[in-house]
Amino acid sequence: GAVVSQHPSWVICKSGTSVKIECRSLDFQATTMFWYRQFPKQSLMLMATSNEGSKATYEQGVEKDKFLINHASLTLSTLTVTSAHPEDSSFYICSARYGTGVGEQYFGPGTRLTVT
Amino acid sequence: EDQVTQSPEALRLQEGESSSLNCSYTVSGLRGLFWYRQDPGKGPEFLFTLYSAGEEKEKERLKATLTKKESFLHITAPKPEDSATYLCAVQDVGSSNTGKLIFGQGTTLQVKP
Repeated sequence: GAVVSQHPSWVICKSGTSVKIECRSLDFQATTMFWYRQFPKQSLMLMATSNEGSKATYEQGVEKDKFLINHASLTLSTLTVTSAHPEDSSFYICSARYGTGVGEQYFGPGTRLTVT
Repeated sequence: EDQVTQSPEALRLQEGESSSLNCSYTVSGLRGLFWYRQDPGKGPEFLFTLYSAGEEKEKERLKATLTKKESFLHITAPKPEDSATYLCAVQDVGSSNTGKLIFGQGTTLQVKP
């Protein structure tokens, strides 16, 4: 149980284009989903917290107009990287919170984005 | 400010050589402490949640313990397949509504046959 999927697993796009990444909780409903970014040999950096039916809460320093997050349902959140540039190339990982209170976060497999 | 520090940064063990990973934390109030395993190029895999000092949890060769200031992940007789980065994270009582976690930098474990 508690499976989270991400699609696509990797994507290459040209500079200036937009890319959408989907995150789905497959066997549970998640009122809260999280989006992280991870650079090589570094830990997870939280980008934003997404709640179903409301606007995402972005961490300090994360451009909300560049990283658009939509939590459309209790099982789906999307991250759109708009007008991507090479510096946006990274490993993006989503997680879904299981339950409320001290609910564990279950992570997706990640999406490798390369912007050329 | 909430903070999580993991040590060592990297650990090399021979197969069968038991050891421990450390996670020190500073929070205003601990809601929960989490251990994850991450393989290269993959998302973290949930291992344990610990809630209060004195609590212990086990899974195969792994055992997690918790005190008021730190947590240990004990690895008994490790195998090469235990090689991974182990991440520790905490949730502060102030983040109980959001579920936000603060992650440490991780310990990369390599187990040689």
